[in-house]
Amino acid sequence: GAGVSQSPSNKVTEKGKDVELRCDPISGHTALYWYRQSLGQGLEFLIYFQGNSAPDKSGLPSDRFSAERTGGSVSTLTIQRTQQEDSAVYLCASSLGFGLYGYTFGSGTRLTVV
Amino acid sequence: DAKTTQPTSMDCAEGRAANLPCNHSTISGNEYVYWYRQIHSQGPQYIIHGLKNNETNEMASLIITEDRKSSTLILPHATLRDTAVYYCIVPTQGGSEKLVFGKGTKLTVNP
Repeated sequence: GAGVSQSPSNKVTEKGKDVELRCDPISGHTALYWYRQSLGQGLEFLIYFQGNSAPDKSGLPSDRFSAERTGGSVSTLTIQRTQQEDSAVYLCASSLGFGLYGYTFGSGTRLTVV
Repeated sequence: DAKTTQPTSMDCAEGRAANLPCNHSTISGNEYVYWYRQIHSQGPQYIIHGLKNNETNEMASLIITEDRKSSTLILPHATLRDTAVYYCIVPTQGGSEKLVFGKGTKLTVNP
């Protein structure tokens, strides 16, 4: 596609429920990143994919968070047993690869846990 | 990532040039300087990047000092829509090459 697409754009869920957030990167972009941004805070790195593998998961805050990527394209971030502190905007970015290229970010999914 | 230091906030009059400084004194010889901005409620947007030469594109100019320890992002004719948080980032080459976003500079363009 023309840009990075994320869905849903907004999600309200009850505490304790599981949620899945989807990221559709730019076609051909091999690198994919997930970040989150809590209200009034900076961007926090979560996980990096190169193709379908995730060589850097260092930012996942707990084992309730997981992500996968299939076909070197779409990625899903899953949060199990959501907590109120998980409320944030979850941003996905893709890239052809670094060095000379930067990232293109999606518009994010705003997750609210009530 | 090489540490960067930016002012917390800046103001600029509409139509004037906005000059946003960034210090990156620990930068290595092969590390690029990237600039992104984040307009309220949107994902970050790539602006420009450079290694050692000055760079210009349709959005901005990037001036990097000869010793590469600092740089300045220039928006030549700021508009109200340029109000945003501007991030200067020097990602470490190799590994995941993830961008580590600091607090950036909140630029407010005033009418």
